[in-house]
Amino acid sequence: AQSVSQHNHHVILSEAASLELGCNYSYGGTVNLFWYVQYPGQHLQLLLKYFSGDPLVKGIKGFEAEFIKSKFSFNLRKPSVQWSDTAEYFCAVNAPSTGGGNKLTFGTGTQLKVEL
Amino acid sequence: EPEVTQTPSHQVTQMGQEVILRCVPISNHLYFYWYRQILGQKVEFLVSFYNNEISEKSEIFDDQFSVERPDGSNFTLKIRSTKLEDSAMYFCASTPLGVGYGYTFGSGTRLTVV
Repeated sequence: AQSVSQHNHHVILSEAASLELGCNYSYGGTVNLFWYVQYPGQHLQLLLKYFSGDPLVKGIKGFEAEFIKSKFSFNLRKPSVQWSDTAEYFCAVNAPSTGGGNKLTFGTGTQLKVEL
Repeated sequence: EPEVTQTPSHQVTQMGQEVILRCVPISNHLYFYWYRQILGQKVEFLVSFYNNEISEKSEIFDDQFSVERPDGSNFTLKIRSTKLEDSAMYFCASTPLGVGYGYTFGSGTRLTVV
């Protein structure tokens, strides 16, 4: 079945540590890729998205992600995390070529806790 | 920055009761969506709506669910006879055209069925 996988469910880091959250998808064909963040009690906010072009995408708050087509991956990175990055992070895929229309399919999320 | 507004933020209802969750999408957006997130699980697509009709729906969106855009600004999700397993956070979203133009989510309605 087509799916989006986030292998890290809980990540705990100290401030200033580097972050990499994994995301893999199983769709063939053209995909549009997203990372969303959900701070406690708040709505989903878009961090970054990839549609085409440069596979290294830069988003808000210092986040970036790299699309590696051969690995079906879109990992999220940040060189130095801050306490305020504590949140849940969701990878999402839109796969119009597989009849997905405009819907997003989400991964299970990664809960990131940054300790002072 | 324009926002998608959802009301109420939290609703508690008894099993078997009907609930209506309300959303006001961004005014110039054309596509509207409902997603839900059961506690501890991933965000799941329910339905998309365009040009006053459902454009796509998931297996979750059975006959108990319906959507409506009653007055050109509100976008509602109705659950006719709620079950315990309908307890979840429900998110509304809208996009101006296709997904490439940006997906804006509301802050959600937490539905608790008791």
